[in-house]
Order: sequence, then C-alpha cells, then structure tokens
Amino acid sequence: KAGVTQTPRYLIKTRGQQVTLSCSPISGHRSVSWYQQTPGQGLQFLFEYFSETQRNKGNFPGRFSGRQFSNSRSEMNVSTLELGDSALYLCASSGTSGGVLTYNEQFFGPGTRLTVL
Amino acid sequence: GQQVMQIPQYQHVQEGEDFTTYCNSSTTLSNIQWYKQRPGGHPVFLIQLVKSGEVKKQKRLTFQFGEAKKNSSLHITATQTTDVGTYFCAGPDNFNKFYFGSGTKLNVKP
Repeated sequence: KAGVTQTPRYLIKTRGQQVTLSCSPISGHRSVSWYQQTPGQGLQFLFEYFSETQRNKGNFPGRFSGRQFSNSRSEMNVSTLELGDSALYLCASSGTSGGVLTYNEQFFGPGTRLTVL
Repeated sequence: GQQVMQIPQYQHVQEGEDFTTYCNSSTTLSNIQWYKQRPGGHPVFLIQLVKSGEVKKQKRLTFQFGEAKKNSSLHITATQTTDVGTYFCAGPDNFNKFYFGSGTKLNVKP
C-alpha cells in the first residue's frame, strides 16, 4: 500500500497570503488528521475529518480551515498568513474496523514545511 | 483543557545507558500510543497499549500503561545511536479527541 502523501513538501509564502496544503491518506483510510509542529510548541492538533465531516477541532484561529473530499483526500487552508504560522504541517490517516473509526495507529505523511516571510 | 505532558523534555545519554520517558495526561485516555520521530522525519508508530496496567516489550523497549489510564512510560535498555529521536506518547480521550504529548528528545552519544 502506498503511504500518506502530502503536497507540496516545501512552501515559502509572505505574510498576508493564503496557502492550501493537500494530503492523500492511505487507500481505504477515511480519517485524516492535521497537526502543526513547531520547535517550541511540539505537535499541535488542528482538526480531524472522517467521511467528509470535521469530527474534532483543536484550538487554532478561524484562519485555519480544512475539508475532506469523497475520496478521503483532505486539504487544509491557512488564510492571512502570519510569521508564526511557519511550521511543519503533518497529516495522518487512520483506518477503521467494520466501518468504525478505531483510533488506533496513525500513519503520518512526510509533512509540508511552510515558511512565512 | 486536556494536556498530555512528557518528562523529561530532553535527555542526553551515553550509548549503553538506559533511558525512560514519562507521559502524564490530565484526563483518562482510551488507549496510549507511542511514536518515534527521527530528526528531519515524521512520527512513526511504535506501539499501542489498551488495558489498564498493560506492559508490552519490543526488544530493548518496554512500554507501560498506568492503572488509571492517565500515565505511561517508555523505557529503553542499553541505548544505541539508532535510538536518537523524539518520542511522543499520544492517545484519544473518551470523546475520541486525539492528543499528543509534548515529546522527549533523546540524544545518544557514541
């Protein structure tokens, strides 16, 4: 099985711009979660999507949004970028058992490293 | 709000020494998972513990889940340079919200 893929891998933007990151989960996985990783704050949960619905949301401002498509691919968008948004954005997918999300192992993609200048 | 803390934040050991990281959650977790992130890499799943008091071993690694399902530990015996990385605990609460610990960065000197 192919792993979780994220595009692009690297991105440089300037303050005030917006950005869209993409994540393709492992085939058959319907849950996709997004995390922000910075040296100072560690791994911060952004949101989780399951079957195109946002199931959980972390404590991030409304500038951070996401969505999931019927093929389970997910995108996250950050509008009005700030310097503090520079981070590694990781997406992870999880499988289900009998159609129920099991919250077992999360498979992470390589991440998108976003630099805001 | 919910917090999952790990101690220590950093640990430097000489190769061959043991290493332990402790994970404490402010609320009960349905299960506890451990991940390892090598420098420049992404987190990779190591193991999951589900039952209260459960202990699992993977070669030199021993994982424990506390009786109250709010704490956990990872112990590495006789560290090797390949153990270098950041170790995270993680798990869902009873509302299926997933939390990652703050991580322990391990450096092993040869």
